[in-house]
Amino acid sequence: KAGVTQTPRYLIKTRGQQVTLSCSPISGHRSVSWYQQTPGQGLQFLFEYFSETQRNKGNFPGRFSGRQFSNSRSEMNVSTLELGDSALYLCASSSGQGTNTGELFFGEGSRLTVL
Amino acid sequence: AQSVTQPDIHITVSEGASLELRCNYSYGATPYLFWYVQSPGQGLQLLLKYFSGDTLVQGIKGFEAEFKRSQSSFNLRKPSVHWSDAAEYFCAVVAGGSYIPTFGRGTSLIVHP
Repeated sequence: KAGVTQTPRYLIKTRGQQVTLSCSPISGHRSVSWYQQTPGQGLQFLFEYFSETQRNKGNFPGRFSGRQFSNSRSEMNVSTLELGDSALYLCASSSGQGTNTGELFFGEGSRLTVL
Repeated sequence: AQSVTQPDIHITVSEGASLELRCNYSYGATPYLFWYVQSPGQGLQLLLKYFSGDTLVQGIKGFEAEFKRSQSSFNLRKPSVHWSDAAEYFCAVVAGGSYIPTFGRGTSLIVHP
């Protein structure tokens, strides 16, 4: 069973640009969550999509957005990049239902550097 | 809202020594509890989880954790650490009815030969 795949793994952008990150979940998983990881703030929850609907949202500005497609693949977008957006962005998939609550399967992340 | 505290930012142990990583949570009822591990350059991997029942849970890679309701703790243990255990360890809590874990800040484990 293939794991969670995130692309690209590394990218460099400049302030003001926008970026789109992609995540392919484990086959059969309908929930995709996104996290931002930085040394100063740790792991912070961005949002979760389940069956193409945003089900949960963290406390991030509107520059951070996401979507999920019918095949459960998800993208997140960050517009008007700021230096503070430099981080490792982690995607996690799960069944999103039943008793596996909170049990997440993570991708290796997309390392974003904003110059 | 639930919260998780990992009091130790760094822990250094010698290879072969025992290990205990601390985790305290704040939540009104019994939460679901997890430990995840992150190796350098990797995503997080689930080590073990506690939902209910036996308060001592076994995980992968020889790790175990004990849920203590009276202390609101879920400490991770390993009897003998290997150099490959060097990584970042995260405790996480999920409140009932939610699918979104709240993570602690993590504990970095350094293993000396």
